[in-house]
Amino acid sequence: NAGVTQTPKFQVLKTGQSMTLQCAQDMNHNSMYWYRQDPGMGLRLIYYSASEGTTDKGEVPNGYNVSRLNKREFSLRLESAAPSQTSVYFCASSPRDLQFFGPGTRLTVL
Amino acid sequence: GENVEQHPSTLSVQEGDSAVIKCTYSDSASNYFPWYKQELGKRPQLIIDIRSNVGEKKDQRIAVTLNKTAKHFSLHITETQPEDSAVYFCAARRYTSYDKVIFGPGTSLSVIP
Repeated sequence: NAGVTQTPKFQVLKTGQSMTLQCAQDMNHNSMYWYRQDPGMGLRLIYYSASEGTTDKGEVPNGYNVSRLNKREFSLRLESAAPSQTSVYFCASSPRDLQFFGPGTRLTVL
Repeated sequence: GENVEQHPSTLSVQEGDSAVIKCTYSDSASNYFPWYKQELGKRPQLIIDIRSNVGEKKDQRIAVTLNKTAKHFSLHITETQPEDSAVYFCAARRYTSYDKVIFGPGTSLSVIP
């Protein structure tokens, strides 16, 4: 099992550009999450999906959209990137309680 | 909504000493409290968790205690080793259909050889 995978690993964007971060899990988990991690601020929840077909806002959803494409895949889209969105993005999945994290995507917006 | 505070933000200990990290939560309905360890440049990984029907849980050198009345829980690491150096995150969750987990801001632990 690959666990939770994310693509790309690194990305540099210019202000105003759009992009989609991809996440997939092969553990048959119902719940999936997107977090951003900034120095000194821990992991902040952007969006989550408790089950296939549902998505909900987390703590910091502004500037992002998500799609739960199927049970395996949960994507995060930045429609118009801003420098404030420079961060490390982690996807996670969960069968119920504990979470399994992907390797992260380091995004820089110039 | 839930808010999780964590102290201290940084902690340095001598190898072999104990380390204690404390977290408080605001939502009295939270019933699951995991701890994650994140080494530099890597993903967070679960090291121990506790549910609200248990007051203490141990796993070798790591233990977690929970005080539901005071709404705080703590991570205890005994006989610290250099490889324990990392950032540690606590989290709290209310198991509902929303399935949301809120993390504390993290504690950077340095174990000095």
